Amino acid sequence: KQEVTQIPAALSVPEGENLVLNCSFTDSAIYNLQWFRQDPGKGLTSLLLIQSSQREQTSGRLNASLDKSSGRSTLYIAASQPGDSATYLCAVRDYGGATNKLIFGTGTLLAVQP
Amino acid sequence: EAEVAQSPRYKITEKSQAVAFWCDPISGHATLYWYRQILGQGPELLVQFQDESVVDDSQLPKDRFSAERLKGVDSTLKIQPAELGDSAMYLCASSRGETQPQHFGDGTRLSIL
Repeated sequence: KQEVTQIPAALSVPEGENLVLNCSFTDSAIYNLQWFRQDPGKGLTSLLLIQSSQREQTSGRLNASLDKSSGRSTLYIAASQPGDSATYLCAVRDYGGATNKLIFGTGTLLAVQP
Repeated sequence: EAEVAQSPRYKITEKSQAVAFWCDPISGHATLYWYRQILGQGPELLVQFQDESVVDDSQLPKDRFSAERLKGVDSTLKIQPAELGDSAMYLCASSRGETQPQHFGDGTRLSIL
């Protein structure tokens, strides 16, 4: 059974710092991996999706990498801003599954201090 | 970009009562998902529809939960009777197909007293 773990559970950094969020998964046979952002009391906003054949994806100040063989992904946020404060979730879709079931981690709560 | 619409945003009800949530996916999205997110955890899939058909409801507590998508567009998730442990955020998502990115609504926050 696929399990997704995110470390750290919470992170507080001063504005302007670069930071890395970690995600690990137990079964490397995944179809893709997706990073989401969730603001308090809100739904999820998709940030980046990495297909299993890809190594990384970039969008603005965000860069996500995927090492399928080791079961790891990282989300790199450059020059953090207070507006980046949110919970960041990663989710994997198991390859070959009958349905597009996303398995989520428990998230990293990020606070960027002005 | 169009959004997934959910209502109500908040629902407070007593144990043993019935409660219903509504979701309108992005136009043209054939796949619709209902998730439950307990505070401090990641979302967990309850049910997935492809058009009007259920393709995965393995995690849906079928003794009290039901879901339908009669015309393959909007969907309703119902709980009867509600229990204290049902307090959570209920999220709806949609995608063009099973392999496409999922887009989420803002959810319904359910509190059972």
